[in-house]
Amino acid sequence: GQQVMQIPQYQHVQEGEDFTTYCNSSTTLSNIQWYKQRPGGHPVFLIQLVKSGEVKKQKRLTFQFGEAKKNSSLHITATQTTDVGTYFCGVDFGNEKLTFGTGTRLTIIP
Amino acid sequence: DADVTQTPRNRITKTGKRIMLECSQTKGHDRMYWYRQDPGLGLRLIYYSFDVKDINKGEISDGYSVSRQAQAKFSLSLESAIPNQTALYFCAVRGPNTGELFFGEGSRLTVL
Repeated sequence: GQQVMQIPQYQHVQEGEDFTTYCNSSTTLSNIQWYKQRPGGHPVFLIQLVKSGEVKKQKRLTFQFGEAKKNSSLHITATQTTDVGTYFCGVDFGNEKLTFGTGTRLTIIP
Repeated sequence: DADVTQTPRNRITKTGKRIMLECSQTKGHDRMYWYRQDPGLGLRLIYYSFDVKDINKGEISDGYSVSRQAQAKFSLSLESAIPNQTALYFCAVRGPNTGELFFGEGSRLTVL
């Protein structure tokens, strides 16, 4: 069935280092969303990408949608302890059935 | 007050018991979802609903049932709970414009 792969599953970085998580699909996506879940919390929406090749920034976070609309990335520049959590991509294959990647758990070493 | 409210927040039950997890929302949106979260497996879709007469199965609907009592209420039931249904369950409401999901705080279910 339709699914999305997210890598890596875990990432440990020193505070101040950069972090990137990737989502890949074998089929073209209508759009892709990114969420952040703090430890013990619930997922919170970060952004939605719709257009081919789209790049959006939120302070230290950069989101990209691939030209073929089959992959996306979230990049955090100069991580801070507040970035700790699990980052999920959520995809809609066009049927309102929102499917999530397995998530990337980010831990920060102070 | 939270826009998406789940009850109970925590529940411990025994194998074979019937359990209902409730979700209510004040956002006034039509589309509602139930997800299950397990470590390393992310969020998996159980059921979703577009309105009270439109309910759809997700990836892992076996062993679960749902009821959409009103636009604002979407309940998830486990007719006969089993230990591998121990998980964190999230209800979510989808916004009509941006399409973002607004999640509840989650219901942690333990089946002994």
